[in-house]
Parts: sequence; C-alpha cells; structure tokens
Amino acid sequence: ETGVTQTPRHLVMGMTNKKSLKCEQHLGHNAMYWYKQSAKKPLELMFVYSLEERVENNSVPSRFSPECPNSSHLFLHLHTLQPEDSALYLCASSQEVLAEGINEQFFGPGTRLTVL
Amino acid sequence: GQQVMQIPQYQHVQEGEDFTTYCNSSTTLSNIQWYKQRPGGHPVFLIQLVKSGEVKKQKRLTFQFGEAKKNSSLHITATQTTDVGTYFCAGREDYKLSFGAGTTVTVRA
Repeated sequence: ETGVTQTPRHLVMGMTNKKSLKCEQHLGHNAMYWYKQSAKKPLELMFVYSLEERVENNSVPSRFSPECPNSSHLFLHLHTLQPEDSALYLCASSQEVLAEGINEQFFGPGTRLTVL
Repeated sequence: GQQVMQIPQYQHVQEGEDFTTYCNSSTTLSNIQWYKQRPGGHPVFLIQLVKSGEVKKQKRLTFQFGEAKKNSSLHITATQTTDVGTYFCAGREDYKLSFGAGTTVTVRA
C-alpha cells in the first residue's frame, strides 16, 4: 500500500454517461496529480494540484474535469467520453510540486476505464 | 516541450544475464527519477538522481545520470524473475515530471 487509494478500480461507461473517479491520499502531501496511461504510450500528465489550486492543465479536453476540494482528495469528473479515452487513470501525490531533495511521487492503483 | 525517450521498448533477458535501459531527454533536466511498474500494478519510485555524473546503486541495480544531465541509464546485473516489469525514467524540468515510454522486461528462466 502506497497511501494513495483510488475508486473505482474498474469502470465501464457509455459515451453519454457521467461518472467520477476518486483519489484519496493519506500521506499528508500537498501536491496531487492525474495521469493517463494508455497501452504503449508514456504516462501522460493531465492535471497538477498544489494545495487545492490547479497549477497545470496539460491541454486536456474539457470532457475531463478535475476537482480538488482539499489536499487529501482529488476527483476526475468524466462526461461524454470517447472510446479512445479508455485507459488506466492513475492518481499520484507528492510532498510538494516543487521541493528540495527527493520529491518522489506515490501512485495509487489506478482506475481501469473502458468507454464503449 | 520536453521529451523523454527510452530504449529499448522491450528487453527479453535470460535469467542471470545483465541488461541496460537508456533514457534521453531533449532538454537539460534538474533531476531524473526511475520507477518500476509490475504487471497489473502501478509505478513505484526507485531512485532520484540530481547531480551531473551521479551514480547510485541499489543491490543489483546501478543508476547513472549523464554529465550533461540529459541522459540516464539503469543497469541490472544477474537478472532475476523478480525483475520483470516496466521501468520508467522520468525527467524533471521545473515542476513537471515527463515520463519515458518505459522498458518492459521479461525474464526467461
């Protein structure tokens, strides 16, 4: 266990559905991240939050909407997704966005999303 | 923007043999991190390199950071079945961590 949990672990949704992914970190970190991992592609950074403020939106389509109500919780709201959005969505946290010393990211187990 | 390339994409290794995976960045990095993702799992942090020319060892794993801070390598000696998985390098520039596509390692017993 890395101290980062994600729910649900698996999600199948139609293109007209609205769903949300949830991430919670129990590490007291100030930074949280959403990544998309598709087969045979590098991890793609989607969003970065520092103390509940979004510091990065990496040209992500508006059908993905993040929410960070506090430094321990991060959501990714999904609506009108496309089949090519099917992927593993990983949440991660780190002590800070920018930090001296080792600033490793702790990843959750991911949500395997399939869009039909 | 910053790009991090990793080669090879796949590495099939006989148990007991050594192998190396390489990481190259299009820009100078402030530091580089390495992660390992087991099949069906999530990336787990292995190490961070900060200084030009830095070399760090973790048991059978040796990590190097290039003099120009634009490339890195991971060398594994005497490969074991527990080494299977995908190894990612991640280059940091400012607050952004850009991941390479990874080297997926399989081991023949």
